[in-house]
Amino acid sequence: GENVEQHPSTLSVQEGDSAVIKCTYSDSASNYFPWYKQELGKRPQLIIDIRSNVGEKKDQRIAVTLNKTAKHFSLHITETQPEDSAVYFCAVEVDSSYKLIFGSGTRLLVRP
Amino acid sequence: ETGVTQSPTHLIKTRGQQVTLRCSSQSGHNTVSWYQQALGQGPQFIFQYYREEENGRGNFPPRFSGLQFPNYSSELNVNALELDDSALYLCASSFGQGTQYFGPGTRLTVL
Repeated sequence: GENVEQHPSTLSVQEGDSAVIKCTYSDSASNYFPWYKQELGKRPQLIIDIRSNVGEKKDQRIAVTLNKTAKHFSLHITETQPEDSAVYFCAVEVDSSYKLIFGSGTRLLVRP
Repeated sequence: ETGVTQSPTHLIKTRGQQVTLRCSSQSGHNTVSWYQQALGQGPQFIFQYYREEENGRGNFPPRFSGLQFPNYSSELNVNALELDDSALYLCASSFGQGTQYFGPGTRLTVL
């Protein structure tokens, strides 16, 4: 079955620096790759997503890049702010089935 | 915030009991997916309902079952509760193959 690996598990950056989180997946048929942000005790919130017909997508300080050949995609956050501190999950849709397989999460800490 | 709601917010049960969790999907959405999130882990797919039919299932035993109603709200039922069932249960609604939006979750504790 699909396997999603996410790295790093924790990431600490200084406010204003950039943060990059990377995920790799195994199923080459996967076509949809969302990223969710989950603050402590709250629901996962979609922050950006990308489909396989696009290599990069940007929304203000957040961008996602996709390399289908290498089967990996990355979340880039620029000009980090303390409110960016949270756990970030990547996910992969399995075989157009609506089923999302999640990575294990990255705890991002932005130091003021 | 999304329009997805879940009830109850918290629940405490004892081993062997049964539990029903509820989810109201966002207006216009016809698909509900359920996920189990253990502490410190990513959500794990349980199953999905599309137009009142189960449409895919993850690696969960048959004691995890569900329903979807004509208004697209959904229930998750868990029988014969085990200690390892303690987790945050999340539902997510979507329109067909669209983006999934999560509810706030139900935190289940099994003693």
